[in-house]
Amino acid sequence: DVKVTQSSRYLVKRTGEKVFLECVQDMDHENMFWYRQDPGLGLRLIYFSYDVKMKEKGDIPEGYSVSREKKERFSLILESASTNQTSMYLCASQGGREQYFGPGTRLTVT
Amino acid sequence: AQKITQTQPGMFVQEKEAVTLDCTYDTSDPSYGLFWYKQPSSGEMIFLIYQGSYDQQNATEGRYSLNFQKARKSANLVISASQLGDSAMYFCAMRGYILTGGGNKLTFGTGTQLKVEL
Repeated sequence: DVKVTQSSRYLVKRTGEKVFLECVQDMDHENMFWYRQDPGLGLRLIYFSYDVKMKEKGDIPEGYSVSREKKERFSLILESASTNQTSMYLCASQGGREQYFGPGTRLTVT
Repeated sequence: AQKITQTQPGMFVQEKEAVTLDCTYDTSDPSYGLFWYKQPSSGEMIFLIYQGSYDQQNATEGRYSLNFQKARKSANLVISASQLGDSAMYFCAMRGYILTGGGNKLTFGTGTQLKVEL
């Protein structure tokens, strides 16, 4: 079974802090994704990566950056957290047809 | 650009009955794939079923079936014999067929919250 893990289920940070969300997959997948999920808006793609050190912006990249130094790990970085980044963050990986998701990180920025 | 529309924010169904969750889509891609995911209250997204745009038959996976009407651009999920454990948020999603780089992106709808009642 594919396993996608995220570093935290719940996270509380202060405005202005630098925040790292980590995602690890164990299936040697090429593609990895970061989404945020907000009520009434569904899932929106922030960034994705199709290879080590390769990244592309998704639909809502503003305020975020990513890092993929190793194939199994894809990090989402909030350079200076703001309250409007309070959300559920979901990581996914894909090697074939469907994407496999991690359990999500519920981030609260106060 | 691709767009997915789910017009039912919430649905109720009696246990053991069938329920249809609506999904319409818009795309200019000549070929594409349609997905349904389930998200229980625990938060994890679970893949349910897939339909390719050129598949001749509607996809089925156990109690899940996808009612694909290409001309109407609809891909409704049908859950037969609903169970209490089916209570969850359900998302419809679409992807183009270029399986490299940006072509792997999924576009999601806003979801339908399904509640199964006794």
